[in-house]
Amino acid sequence: DAGITQSPRHKVTETGTPVTLRCHQTENHRYMYWYRQDPGHGLRLIHYSYGVKDTDKGEVSDGYSVSRSKTEDFLLTLESATSSQTSVYFCAISARGLVEGGELFFGEGSRLTVL
Amino acid sequence: GENVEQHPSTLSVQEGDSAVIKCTYSDSASNYFPWYKQELGKRPQLIIDIRSNVGEKKDQRIAVTLNKTAKHFSLHITETQPEDSAVYFCALYNFNKFYFGSGTKLNVKP
Repeated sequence: DAGITQSPRHKVTETGTPVTLRCHQTENHRYMYWYRQDPGHGLRLIHYSYGVKDTDKGEVSDGYSVSRSKTEDFLLTLESATSSQTSVYFCAISARGLVEGGELFFGEGSRLTVL
Repeated sequence: GENVEQHPSTLSVQEGDSAVIKCTYSDSASNYFPWYKQELGKRPQLIIDIRSNVGEKKDQRIAVTLNKTAKHFSLHITETQPEDSAVYFCALYNFNKFYFGSGTKLNVKP
């Protein structure tokens, strides 16, 4: 397995509280992604990063922000969690991007429950 | 964003039979089409991929076909085994972004 870890793996929080999920990689891959997985929707892209301090929005970015201050860490923040953000969140990394895509390596996932 | 439609959503086959999962898409700029397998409670993992300059690719019991004109690609699993039971996702890549289908839950009955 690629060196990618997510923390926390499980979190229960209340509506309106801030939440930060961390993705840490040891592969020195340039591209990092945050996805959420919900039944019937597959994996939907929230935000991605193509380098340190370079990020962009995905399909479902409303209510989420990200930061990448170093190559190995990509943080996903829910400023004020809502019940609709209850989901399993996956971080993924890839060595290839721009015009030519390459294999995505996924973390183990973070299960977030917002009460 | 890109629209990827995946069918069927569930598929049940007898061990030894073949399974076929199909995905259609709308953006002709996509050039990389991977397939991921996700076992229950685990992370998705790449099982096979194909690029737009290739029509078919095989890896043992798994094959993927791509028809760029018709904008669809398919996963074929032959001689299915119980360990093939999982959720399978098609995906496509378009300039830094991967878009996934909604998944197919494959159940292989012994």
